[in-house]
Amino acid sequence: DAKTTQPNSMESNEEEPVHLPCNHSTISGTDYIHWYRQLPSQGPEYVIHGLTSNVNNRMASLAIAEDRKSSTLILHRATLRDAAVYYCILRDTLNAGNNRKLIWGLGTSLAVNP
Amino acid sequence: NAGVTQTPKFQVLKTGQSMTLQCAQDMNHEYMSWYRQDPGMGLRLIHYSVGAGITDQGEVPNGYNVSRSTTEDFPLRLLSAAPSQTSVYFCASSSLSGRGGTGELFFGEGSRLTVL
Repeated sequence: DAKTTQPNSMESNEEEPVHLPCNHSTISGTDYIHWYRQLPSQGPEYVIHGLTSNVNNRMASLAIAEDRKSSTLILHRATLRDAAVYYCILRDTLNAGNNRKLIWGLGTSLAVNP
Repeated sequence: NAGVTQTPKFQVLKTGQSMTLQCAQDMNHEYMSWYRQDPGMGLRLIHYSVGAGITDQGEVPNGYNVSRSTTEDFPLRLLSAAPSQTSVYFCASSSLSGRGGTGELFFGEGSRLTVL
């Protein structure tokens, strides 16, 4: 099963960049790397995803290692509203049967200090 | 866009009772799924569907039934509720690749179930 490994918790100061790492050494060729975050008492929300190349959107950037066995979610300037649990998952949307193996793990709990 | 709508938001059941958690999406997504989230356990996949008439088991399917008669709806049925099913339940949907979708999962707000 394709699993990801993330640190349990991280801390940052407001307005500083945050680098959230994720290891996924068993990633397969059809797996997309997805990042989600979950604010307290809410459902997870999509942040960003990528396959091989680095990606940027209005929320964050995703840096993917050349061998695809790790990735880093980058929040360029952390705000208090970014305090959440961040999940890195592998999503194979090409092969429907692989959805059974969608494993989330516990994610990284990010604290942002004012 | 309403996105993914879950009902009810809160429910208290007695052991042995049955109930259905409703999930509806208005984005024409092929993929729909149910998760449960317990403290210290993270999100665990219960059942999922890749289209109307197609369902499959996830990581923790026991005690739950699903059906997918339409693209929009994916109800989760608890046949005989047990205290171990006390949890927060999330429904999520997405498009699948091959149809131009990114696979981004859209989640509902959650349904908090307590079984006494």
